[in-house]
Amino acid sequence: RKEVEQDPGPFNVPEGATVAFNCTYSNSASQSFFWYRQDCRKEPKLLMSVYSSGNEDGRFTAQLNRASQYISLLIRDSKLSDSATYLCVVRVSNYQLIWGAGTKLIIKP
Amino acid sequence: DADVTQTPRNRITKTGKRIMLECSQTKGHDRMYWYRQDPGLGLRLIYYSFDVKDINKGEISDGYSVSRQAQAKFSLSLESAIPNQTALYFCATSDSYGSTGEQYFGPGTRLTVT
Repeated sequence: RKEVEQDPGPFNVPEGATVAFNCTYSNSASQSFFWYRQDCRKEPKLLMSVYSSGNEDGRFTAQLNRASQYISLLIRDSKLSDSATYLCVVRVSNYQLIWGAGTKLIIKP
Repeated sequence: DADVTQTPRNRITKTGKRIMLECSQTKGHDRMYWYRQDPGLGLRLIYYSFDVKDINKGEISDGYSVSRQAQAKFSLSLESAIPNQTALYFCATSDSYGSTGEQYFGPGTRLTVT
């Protein structure tokens, strides 16, 4: 079993729709949680951290359920520019991040 | 100018050749990392360094070595390249408070070993 699992997609979504990504992790001692975004053939960039109480940044909402070891990302009113791969990332120590393989999102006009 | 740079951006090499990938950063961060990315897999940590004198193996260090020449420079070497080392390689940095989980990545080096 992978330490961080994501649906690989791709998710094909019309512009303006809401899309949800899910992620599960296996290490119950995981310390903190993040969503990164990676554009095609580019480097990953931090999208947002995920806090236990849930957090929102504009059209993006992240949720964490420690009991179920589950993380989610919701994108509302999706834009063409949201097309990318979304990576779920879990910090397990002071140096190590465990990366999901990513979910590819394609927004269609 | 980019804060984290990598050279070369693309490289094709033959099995058995020695190759070095270089990374430089202007962010002033202490911590630097080398990852590889393969299709269908998450990024995997090869080596990491917390400062010039502190270098550590990551998850998949076999077949690789590194050198931290200065705070701003961290190079990755493949002593004798093999085809399964074909991958996209990323260098990343973070500050000493890397507990935030925010790492800053270079643009990547696409390496092909034939």
